[in-house]
Amino acid sequence: DIQMTQSPSSLSASVGDRVTITCRASQSISTYLNWYQQKPGKAPKLLIYAASSLQSGVPSRFSGSGSGTDFTLTISSLQPEDFATYFCQQSYTTPRTFGQGTKVEIK
Amino acid sequence: EVQLVQSGAEVKKPGESLTISCKGSGYSFTAYWISWVRQMPGKGLEWMGRIDPSDSYTNYSPSFQGHVTISADESISTAYLQWSSLKASDTAMYYCARRDTSSGSAFDYWGQGTLVTVSS
Repeated sequence: DIQMTQSPSSLSASVGDRVTITCRASQSISTYLNWYQQKPGKAPKLLIYAASSLQSGVPSRFSGSGSGTDFTLTISSLQPEDFATYFCQQSYTTPRTFGQGTKVEIK
Repeated sequence: EVQLVQSGAEVKKPGESLTISCKGSGYSFTAYWISWVRQMPGKGLEWMGRIDPSDSYTNYSPSFQGHVTISADESISTAYLQWSSLKASDTAMYYCARRDTSSGSAFDYWGQGTLVTVSS
């Protein structure tokens, strides 16, 4: 299985901050990397697919980059509704695997 | 509007069987694979397996192979996740999700989740 490792596991930030979350794959996955946002009690929501493509309806303050094994999700200016847990996921091969999540909390 | 609507919460005893469902609407059900994803309390997301509703081809994560069965009925646009003998460790939220091949095979739509509680 491909292991996905996110860092940090949690972070505290203020509204307006620039936030960066990283995800590393245990082997190359090209750009088959997706990012999801999950709020408490809700299903995950797709933010970024294919490493850098913004899902329809997602605010442009979210962006993704990377290829191979190293990827980044950036929130350019954190908004109150962005406090949530973020997961990366590889869609290169089965079994699909997710990172352990990064919880973004209010400072 | 694309929707995946899952069946309601379940409370079961160890050893009991269970089937939960995921009904798709607003799109061609047979054109998109459906996956099931487990989330144990306070934990991350785990991919369990998937089904191609057009021919019911399935593949499973090795972690779940043999413990659950995924099936689908295209005539009613519904996918299923089944256990023949539940364990307490199956207590979790279960999500179905649609794979979109035009979005790098990401999961673009998710069901609302079905909470399964297994307790004696």
